[in-house]
Amino acid sequence: VQLVQSGAEVKKPGASVNVSCKASANAFTTYYIHWVRQAPGQGLEWMGIINPTAGSLTYAQEFQGRLTMTTDSSTSTVYMELTSLRFDDTAVYYCARGGIISSATSAFDIWGQGTMVTVSS
Amino acid sequence: DIQMTQSPSTLSASVGDRVTITCRASQSISNWLAWYQQKPGKAPTLLIYRASNLESGVPSRFSGSGSGTEFTLTISSLQPDDFATYHCQQYKSYSFSFAQGTKLEIK
Repeated sequence: VQLVQSGAEVKKPGASVNVSCKASANAFTTYYIHWVRQAPGQGLEWMGIINPTAGSLTYAQEFQGRLTMTTDSSTSTVYMELTSLRFDDTAVYYCARGGIISSATSAFDIWGQGTMVTVSS
Repeated sequence: DIQMTQSPSTLSASVGDRVTITCRASQSISNWLAWYQQKPGKAPTLLIYRASNLESGVPSRFSGSGSGTEFTLTISSLQPDDFATYHCQQYKSYSFSFAQGTKLEIK
């Protein structure tokens, strides 16, 4: 089982970024997917969770209004869009596999390789 | 939201040492706690889940304990491959929050 993310992005302040996370079929239909980010030299910050099958989701409060997570079941891909980018959104963004669909309460056992998003003028 | 804190933030140790990292939650999380290892430029990898369960393939020198609000990660005999950053995470609530991490350095 693998999660493969899209490549690095450079964006200007105020722009939007869209990062993709492609999963093998079994991982996509059976497990929750999370998004986590890590600013340079900092810790991990949870952003949100999505049920790829039902589309239900929860966003961390600090990202409400700027974050959108979607899925494309035809390609087993989850997308994360962050809008109104600021300099402090510069970070590595990871997708990660969480619990099976019957229970979201689970550690993250598989991670994507990460996508560097740089916000620079 | 549940806040997570780790100590120490940096730990210097030698190969063969026994080391312990502490993680505290701002409220009880039962045993819904995970530990991750992260090496520079790489994604985190899961070491321990449910506070004390070793993920498949993780060496037995790693162990976790605790419940409620206080938890520990212990490495019984440090190996060169263990020098990395360690993160704890609670997954009791839908904040899935992480602590700030502990960097384990070679003394």
